[in-house]
Amino acid sequence: GIQVEQSPPDLILQEGANSTLRCNFSDSVNNLQWFHQNPWGQLINLFYIPSGTKQNGRLSATTVATERYSLLYISSSQTTDSGVYFCAVGQISSGSARQLTFGSGTQLTVLP
Amino acid sequence: SAVISQKPSRDICQRGTSLTIQCQVDSQVTMMFWYRQQPGQSLTLIATANQGSEATYESGFVIDKFPISRPNLTFSTLTVSNMSPEDSSIYLCSTEDTQYFGPGTRLTVL
Repeated sequence: GIQVEQSPPDLILQEGANSTLRCNFSDSVNNLQWFHQNPWGQLINLFYIPSGTKQNGRLSATTVATERYSLLYISSSQTTDSGVYFCAVGQISSGSARQLTFGSGTQLTVLP
Repeated sequence: SAVISQKPSRDICQRGTSLTIQCQVDSQVTMMFWYRQQPGQSLTLIATANQGSEATYESGFVIDKFPISRPNLTFSTLTVSNMSPEDSSIYLCSTEDTQYFGPGTRLTVL
């Protein structure tokens, strides 16, 4: 099956700093999403971005599908950004359901 | 967007017992997915539940251990059977619009 690798595994920032999270995947995908898992375990969808660039406030994401990677940018980080960030990909092919394969995540800690 | 709820939100269970987790969606969906997240780990797909047919299980997961029901297009249950401490995880459901997940069920097995 498809492999999804995220880096770095852990990241510690001071409040106000910027960061870039990376997601590499081993095959072409129809679906790529970034999630934030808060300390209570809730998964919040940040971006649906199988290709191109999107921005939402302090967050932005870019996926270069031809090179099989995606980047999540966090600017002016806040303590509430802490948590685990997951990249998840999906492949929709004949007879295949729309499930997601998750990367191992990046644990982000933002210090006050 | 779909609103997904799960019950219970958390539970502590004894070894050898079973727990049934419910997932309710506020709209009709064809496919529902069940994921497991073991402590400190990523999410792994357990099975896909389609209404009117048996669930499709991923490698490493079997129906006897994780029976799934899908009685209608808005509801599914996952049962964790004959539990052991290794089953301690967060269990999450999602729909075919995979951008949205339920809040999860945090299970601890003693």
